[in-house]
Amino acid sequence: RKEVEQDPGPFNVPEGATVAFNCTYSNSASQSFFWYRQDCRKEPKLLMSVYSSGNEDGRFTAQLNRASQYISLLIRDSKLSDSATYLCVVTFLGSSASKIIFGSGTRLSIRP
Amino acid sequence: GAGVSQSPSNKVTEKGKDVELRCDPISGHTALYWYRQSLGQGLEFLIYFQGNSAPDKSGLPSDRFSAERTGGSVSTLTIQRTQQEDSAVYLCASQERDIRLAGDSYEQYFGPGTRLTVT
Repeated sequence: RKEVEQDPGPFNVPEGATVAFNCTYSNSASQSFFWYRQDCRKEPKLLMSVYSSGNEDGRFTAQLNRASQYISLLIRDSKLSDSATYLCVVTFLGSSASKIIFGSGTRLSIRP
Repeated sequence: GAGVSQSPSNKVTEKGKDVELRCDPISGHTALYWYRQSLGQGLEFLIYFQGNSAPDKSGLPSDRFSAERTGGSVSTLTIQRTQQEDSAVYLCASQERDIRLAGDSYEQYFGPGTRLTVT
């Protein structure tokens, strides 16, 4: 089982729709969680951190469910410019080593 | 300010040749990561440098891969005797400090990558 798993998609939704996708992680000791966005043939860029209490940034809402070991990203009123691959990132700080693990990404395509 | 830069942006090499990829992190960032990304795939961790500590090489796929970080700044990733399966985009990322010290929030700043094609 992969340490971080995402539905690869693609999710194809009309402009203005609400779309959500999850990311599951296997290590219960994971401590920090993030969503990165990667445009086609570009480098990843941080979209938002995911806090325990959940957090919102404009049209984007991120949530963490530690009991079920997943994080989610909700995009409301989607725009054409939201089309990208969304990467889930999980970190955990072990006693001897720290790890940062990227998911394979979920592709989102917004159609007019 | 200047971001992370990588060179070359594209590299085409023949199977069996050695290649060297360069990463210039953001000035003052102590943590540096190398990843590779094959077409349509996620990021595969390769190696992590943090300050003067011994690097975490656990992601290097074979002993043909090595990396150095001189003076705590510039890093080079070397692939010896390249194989076709080495073809990928090699991404470098820097981070202000070690994730152990970064608290709940940190950001990795990625360079534009080097697209390596082994023919």
